[in-house]
Amino acid sequence: SQTIHQWPATLVQPVGSPLSLECTVEGTSNPNLYWYRQAAGRGLQLLFYSVGIGQISSEVPQNLSASRPQDRQFILSSKKLLLSDSGFYLCAWRVAGGSREQFFGPGTRLTVL
Amino acid sequence: QKEVEQNSGPLSVPEGAIASLNCTYSDRGSQSFFWYRQYSGKSPELIMFIYSNGDKEDGRFTAQLNKASQYVSLLIRDSQPSDSATYLCAVNPSGTYKYIFGTGTRLKVLA
Repeated sequence: SQTIHQWPATLVQPVGSPLSLECTVEGTSNPNLYWYRQAAGRGLQLLFYSVGIGQISSEVPQNLSASRPQDRQFILSSKKLLLSDSGFYLCAWRVAGGSREQFFGPGTRLTVL
Repeated sequence: QKEVEQNSGPLSVPEGAIASLNCTYSDRGSQSFFWYRQYSGKSPELIMFIYSNGDKEDGRFTAQLNKASQYVSLLIRDSQPSDSATYLCAVNPSGTYKYIFGTGTRLKVLA
């Protein structure tokens, strides 16, 4: 069966510091991968998605970037965090082609102070 | 701008009743529809998906899709206090890899 991991689970960072969040998927090959952010009391905002290694589509222009160095690894980064970057960051995956169900990882709660 | 809209609630129902959650979407070409349950502080969990007009049942849950009217609903029969959560509706527009989420409806099942 497939499993998705995210780490860290929680993170407190000062404004202006860098960020690196990691997501890995086990038990499948060439998944479509996604990064979402959920601000407090708000809906899910799609940040990036990837349909293959090195292929990144950005949905919202901001100070975040994403990379997919390996087939089942997806990384979200920032060079300098802003207060507005606080939120619940969720990685998700789905099978490439065929079934369209999307599954979420456990999430990383980021607080920028 | 393609949108998915849900009533934010809270929707309060007594234990054992049927909870009815609704969602409307703007992209008429959308083909795939999903319901997620999200407990406070946790990530969303997929509970139902539906691709065809009509009803789809899974245990206590029934998803209903009406493409002509552009709405999708989720019925929860015999509601339990453990069903208290926020329910997110999501749409995968045709021809895209993206998913558009509603802001969710908070359900409270009263014991």
